[in-house]
Amino acid sequence: QVQLVESGGGLVKPGGSLRLSCAASGFTFSDYYMTWIRQAPGKGLEWVSYTSRSGSTLYYADSVKGRFTISRDNAKNSLYLQMNSLRAEDTAVYYCARVLSSRCFDYWGQGTLVTVSS
Amino acid sequence: DIQMTQSPSSLSASVGDRVTITCRASQSISSYLNWYQQKPGKAPKVLIYAASSLQSGVPSRFSGSGSGTDFTLTISSLQPEDFATYYCQQSYSTPFTFGLGTKLEIK
Repeated sequence: QVQLVESGGGLVKPGGSLRLSCAASGFTFSDYYMTWIRQAPGKGLEWVSYTSRSGSTLYYADSVKGRFTISRDNAKNSLYLQMNSLRAEDTAVYYCARVLSSRCFDYWGQGTLVTVSS
Repeated sequence: DIQMTQSPSSLSASVGDRVTITCRASQSISSYLNWYQQKPGKAPKVLIYAASSLQSGVPSRFSGSGSGTDFTLTISSLQPEDFATYYCQQSYSTPFTFGLGTKLEIK
């Protein structure tokens, strides 16, 4: 069955960096676009970033553009989010999700919590 | 960016009730509208994609309709497991924006 497992979250100081990983299994990873979505504590959902099957086409929310980098390794069935220059407002649970052709997100991981605080 | 306005923001209803949640886009998004259900502490789950297509495994009491700018999610007969927060999301263009959510509570 399809599984997405995020890791790499934790506590980081403002201005710091963190790299999130998402391990995929149960489907042909290279056949799908993938995305990151986040949810601040007690708040709604915010789309963060999106990558094409090959990783050649990337999109970002304005709130993270220039600070975050999405990437993927199809040989390792893994998706990544490199987060630099972190701010308090980046504190959230970060989810990876699989993207269908309709661009809905059909499978989600369990999420990993990133806390940016001094 | 396309803004998604959901209403109501919260709703109290009883088991067996018919419930409708609406979502309005700030510009036409054709049928690129998806609905998600989220329970506390869990990841969201897609219910409806492309405005009216029921995701595999989702009960048929859930339905979606609309196109252009106005969309609805209907639950025909509320079940206890349906009490959750519901989000609409446009997938017409990046950034893929979500509505602020509708929290469905037990009356």
